[in-house]
Amino acid sequence: DAGVIQSPRHEVTEMGQEVTLRCKPISGHDYLFWYRQTMMRGLELLIYFNNNVPIDDSGMPEDRFSAKMPNASFSTLKIQPSEPRDSAVYFCASSDRLVGQYFGPGTRLTVT
Amino acid sequence: SQQGEEDPQALSIQEGENATMNCSYKTSINNLQWYRQNSGRGLVHLILIRSNEREKHSGRLRVTLDTSKKSSSLLITASRAADTASYFCATRSLIQGAQKLVFGQGTRLTINP
Repeated sequence: DAGVIQSPRHEVTEMGQEVTLRCKPISGHDYLFWYRQTMMRGLELLIYFNNNVPIDDSGMPEDRFSAKMPNASFSTLKIQPSEPRDSAVYFCASSDRLVGQYFGPGTRLTVT
Repeated sequence: SQQGEEDPQALSIQEGENATMNCSYKTSINNLQWYRQNSGRGLVHLILIRSNEREKHSGRLRVTLDTSKKSSSLLITASRAADTASYFCATRSLIQGAQKLVFGQGTRLTINP
């Protein structure tokens, strides 16, 4: 298995633009998680899905953030409009609940 | 705020020495997990210890869990330069069905050759 795949790996955009981050979880995993990592706040859980259904989105910072999982093999995290304080590394992870979570390589987002 | 708090925040030792990192948490847990993150990479799951377990081994890793003190430790024996990374503990809630993990701030481990 290729592991969790995220794209793009790097994204530089201007304030106010829409940003879409993509994730393909490991086949057979029924949980998908989106995290954000910054030096100041560490690793924060934004939202997680079970069988494509959002279970807990309490970590989503604002209405500018939205996440979807239209099928078992694809999820997106969208920021609209983006702001400089959204600059961070965004990780997607998947799990089959039996063991730990498998993380993707992350998307480094820079909003100027 | 983060559930898990790692201690120390940074640790620098010589290759071949043992490295011990500690984690404390606040609420009742189902399990506790340790992850490693190399610079610029995603986190990698190392080991999971359930709330009814006290100690677990995996290769050069040894994890202990003391639920009465709400603390865990990760020991890496015979450290290698490749062990240089940040190490995070993460706790899973006791709430049935809850799958979310709460991560600590991490310990940055440097192994000097």
